[in-house]
Amino acid sequence: SQQGEEDPQALSIQEGENATMNCSYKTSINNLQWYRQNSGRGLVHLILIRSNEREKHSGRLRVTLDTSKKSSSLLITASRAADTASYFCATVQTGANNLFFGTGTRLTVIP
Amino acid sequence: GAGVSQSPSNKVTEKGKDVELRCDPISGHTALYWYRQRLGQGLEFLIYFQGNSAPDKSGLPSDRFSAERTGESVSTLTIQRTQQEDSAVYLCASSFRGSPGNEQFFGPGTRLTVL
Repeated sequence: SQQGEEDPQALSIQEGENATMNCSYKTSINNLQWYRQNSGRGLVHLILIRSNEREKHSGRLRVTLDTSKKSSSLLITASRAADTASYFCATVQTGANNLFFGTGTRLTVIP
Repeated sequence: GAGVSQSPSNKVTEKGKDVELRCDPISGHTALYWYRQRLGQGLEFLIYFQGNSAPDKSGLPSDRFSAERTGESVSTLTIQRTQQEDSAVYLCASSFRGSPGNEQFFGPGTRLTVL
């Protein structure tokens, strides 16, 4: 079964606006990763945040992690039409080998 | 070199037939994962290979599903007596080491349709 849930399920914004997606998970984790998926096929790794980190930046991406609330957020600043995709959070549970994926947020950026 | 490749990209089969899906990981990556993604859903873990260790099969949904890997190279996922609920995109990923902190690199997937 899936570990996480993203919120919202779908998000539509104008180009240039910021997009915020949230992820909640259930068990203790080693790290949390965000992935992007275009057109329902291969996923691309965006950013990884470890359980002892609270915030991480990569270009226009900002990720936060609150282990006490078992939640994470992904912020995309100054969005572009090319950011249109589905975004998934994935957690590595303590002691596990694999990623547990959330249900995803479908982001649409309108030019 | 090249990224993770999968074949075929699309497979249409009839209910009850067996199918074999192939994954070529990135050279040098010791860990290989198979996931399934149903339409509009997140990814479900199926199986994990790490080097010569016994695979983690905890995600396989039934005994109709099996997977093999030759050393640290090609892997095949076999689904026997396919059912309509097996229709999904099957994604393969590899990583340099199997430690939980490592980024996984995904292939483009095989879209399986069972009629």
